[in-house]
Amino acid sequence: AQRVTQPEKLLSVFKGAPVELKCNYSYSGSPELFWYVQYSRQRLQLLLRHISRESIKGFTADLNKGETSFHLKKPFAQEEDSAMYYCAPRDDYKLSFGAGTTVTVRA
Amino acid sequence: KAGVTQTPRYLIKTRGQQVTLSCSPISGHRSVSWYQQTPGQGLQFLFEYFSETQRNKGNFPGRFSGRQFSNSRSEMNVSTLELGDSALYLCASSFGTGGINEQFFGPGTRLTVL
Repeated sequence: AQRVTQPEKLLSVFKGAPVELKCNYSYSGSPELFWYVQYSRQRLQLLLRHISRESIKGFTADLNKGETSFHLKKPFAQEEDSAMYYCAPRDDYKLSFGAGTTVTVRA
Repeated sequence: KAGVTQTPRYLIKTRGQQVTLSCSPISGHRSVSWYQQTPGQGLQFLFEYFSETQRNKGNFPGRFSGRQFSNSRSEMNVSTLELGDSALYLCASSFGTGGINEQFFGPGTRLTVL
């Protein structure tokens, strides 16, 4: 069965500290991989996708096919990064979401 | 460009009733997906429509159904409501279907079943 796991429900870091959000997936085949973010009182929105190999708002995500992981990282967290983050693999036409990690960045 | 809109934003129903939720995608987008979000189960995929055809369906009972119109607007219907159907229902649109197409989400419809 397809599964996506975000082991941390809550993550609290100080401003300027590195932050890493873990995501592990169990899928047959090779899904596309995304990270979505939801800021307070805003809609769910795409943060980044693996296929683009991009860095958005200082975040990058490393795909490790051997470990089937797609961890999200930022070297220096900012207060505006406080939000809910979802790892979301997509196979065929279905996007599956992890349980999400709430990140709080403290001054 | 206007974003994805969902109506109504809030809805209160009683058990056994049925409900219809509406989603208007971004202009030019032909794919609409629906998700259910609850504190216990998180975000779960309901179904996706593309060019008026259901492309994929999640693991939900037949009480949950949907359709898409020729203008790409979509509706979701839940019949014989149960308490457990209380949730935030999100709709997302994308230009095409398939993995690389970015999905844009609406604000959601908050359904409360009493």
